[in-house]
Amino acid sequence: SQTIHQWPATLVQPVGSPLSLECTVEGTSNPNLYWYRQAAGRGLQLLFYSVGIGQISSEVPQNLSASRPQDRQFILSSKKLLLSDSGFYLCAWSLGSPGGQETQYFGPGTRLLVL
Amino acid sequence: GESVGLHLPTLSVQEGDNSIINCAYSNSASDYFIWYKQESGKGPQFIIDIRSNMDKRQGQRVTVLLNKTVKHLSLQIAATQPGDSAVYFCAVKGPAFSSGSARQLTFGSGTQLTVLP
Repeated sequence: SQTIHQWPATLVQPVGSPLSLECTVEGTSNPNLYWYRQAAGRGLQLLFYSVGIGQISSEVPQNLSASRPQDRQFILSSKKLLLSDSGFYLCAWSLGSPGGQETQYFGPGTRLLVL
Repeated sequence: GESVGLHLPTLSVQEGDNSIINCAYSNSASDYFIWYKQESGKGPQFIIDIRSNMDKRQGQRVTVLLNKTVKHLSLQIAATQPGDSAVYFCAVKGPAFSSGSARQLTFGSGTQLTVLP
């Protein structure tokens, strides 16, 4: 069966510091991968998605970036964190289907607090 | 683009009663719909999905109803239990003819379901 991992689970970082969050998927090949951010009491905002190694689509202009160095690894980064980057970051995967109607499965999330 | 709204941000029900959580979407050409359950501090968990060629789909204690005429989606939970307390999100996928971000999932803001003893 497929599993998705995220780490760290929680992170407290000062403003201006760099960020690296990692997501890995096991038990599947060539998944679509996604990064979402969830503010407290809000829905999920799509940040990036990837349909393959090195292929990244950005949805929201921001100081974050994403990379996919391996098939089942997705990394969210920042060179300098802002206070507004605080939130709950979720990674998700799906398997592409011809009709595009595929379910996304989420990881456990990383709670980031920027002080 | 797509916009998704939930009718009530909070819902309280007695244990054993049925729960109904509603969701409205804007794009009549949207073709795939998912309900997720999110417990505090955890990632969303898939509950049930439905495609636009269906009106109703049932799972274990859950039923999703899709009314394409009024662009409305609902999740029904039978015999609600304390473990059902969580935030419930609907997610809507953009039309098949769209591409890029328009083809991605748009999430509602969530309904907090509280089960009372």
